[in-house]
Amino acid sequence: GQQVMQIPQYQHVQEGEDFTTYCNSSTTLSNIQWYKQRPGGHPVFLIQLVKSGEVKKQKRLTFQFGEAKKNSSLHITATQTTDVGTYFCAGHTQGGSEKLVFGKGMKLTVNP
Amino acid sequence: NAGVTQTPKFRILKIGQSMTLQCTQDMNHNYMYWYRQDPGMGLKLIYYSVGAGITDKGEVPNGYNVSRSTTEDFPLRLELAAPSQTSVYFCASSLRQGRSGANVLTFGAGSRLTVL
Repeated sequence: GQQVMQIPQYQHVQEGEDFTTYCNSSTTLSNIQWYKQRPGGHPVFLIQLVKSGEVKKQKRLTFQFGEAKKNSSLHITATQTTDVGTYFCAGHTQGGSEKLVFGKGMKLTVNP
Repeated sequence: NAGVTQTPKFRILKIGQSMTLQCTQDMNHNYMYWYRQDPGMGLKLIYYSVGAGITDKGEVPNGYNVSRSTTEDFPLRLELAAPSQTSVYFCASSLRQGRSGANVLTFGAGSRLTVL
């Protein structure tokens, strides 16, 4: 079945640093979504990418969908303590599966 | 709008007991989902529904049952609770128009279940 893998699973950065996390699918995706879960909270939708090569920005967060629509990246610039949490990517396979398959998440901690 | 509401927020069960986790949404969403999240882990799909009267299994359906008699409600039933079902359970809903339509999930606050 479809698998979505996130790399790395854990990321610890110093406040102010930049970093990138990646999401890779075993199959071609029709779209990819990113969610953020704060500690003790529930996942909250951040963004959806649909087109091959699409890039979207939300303040210090930049999301990209790969040309082959099998991978995605999230780049955070000048990390802040408010960025702490677990970031999940999730995707539907081409053909419009009803199931949204989540990766295992990337847990971000920030050293102030 | 309240969004997605889950009850209870916390529950402790003894092995072999049964219970129902309630989930209701007031956004007129057609799709609803149940996920479980084990400590430090990702989200695993238990069951989902694409509309009233229609349910289907996800990755980890064993030990659970669901029903979808109305658009708003999607309860999750645990029969014969086992320690392996200790987890945080999230209900989610989405409005999906067609198989290629956007499917952005709105999650409930979660139900933390401990089976002893």
